[in-house]
Amino acid sequence: EVQLVESGGGLVQPGRSLRLSCAASGFTFDDYAMHWVRQAPGKGLEWVSGISWNSGSIGYADSVKGRFTISRDNAKNSLYLQMNSLRAEDTALYYCAKGRSGQQLTPFDYWGQGTLVTVSS
Amino acid sequence: EIVMTQSPATLSVSPGERATLSCRASQSVSSNLAWYQQKPGQAPRLLIYGASTRATGIPARFSGSGSGTEFTLTISSLQSEDFAVYYCQQYNNWPAFGGGTKVEIK
Repeated sequence: EVQLVESGGGLVQPGRSLRLSCAASGFTFDDYAMHWVRQAPGKGLEWVSGISWNSGSIGYADSVKGRFTISRDNAKNSLYLQMNSLRAEDTALYYCAKGRSGQQLTPFDYWGQGTLVTVSS
Repeated sequence: EIVMTQSPATLSVSPGERATLSCRASQSVSSNLAWYQQKPGQAPRLLIYGASTRATGIPARFSGSGSGTEFTLTISSLQSEDFAVYYCQQYNNWPAFGGGTKVEIK
């Protein structure tokens, strides 16, 4: 059974940093692209960042480019999102999502339950 | 950047009726289009990918069509469990989601 478990969310002040993690199990992690998607309270889905199976291709939404860094550790079956210079508008539930293939341009067939990030003073 | 626009924002439908949801891309995404369903308090679930291929375990009452810039998700006979928010997503470039269509009980 595929499982994606996010962690690392919490309350953080504007301008500070936070690192999210996603622990994956139930599939061969290094065969698949992975993504982060966020959802602000009461709002729609926003793609944040994606990474191909071998980290050879990485992309970011314009709203986070230069502030967020995605990475993965295939030996640990884990995905990460380093979030720096956080803003109030980054407040959202952050989902980890698995791609259907190893390439970054693929739909997302499994999602975690999300970790909540709140940016507030 | 490709912008995805969904319409209508809200669709009121009676159980057993047909629902038709639309999604438009600001430029061609070929058939690289997916649909997701999200219920309150839950993560999204993949319904359709490749514009028309149902994901594993998705009932046949869900169907997708279109290519290029115009896409449609049809739910042929709405069941109680289908009332939810639906999102389209293009993955022809780095992904982008539409704003969603809420399907509510009429």
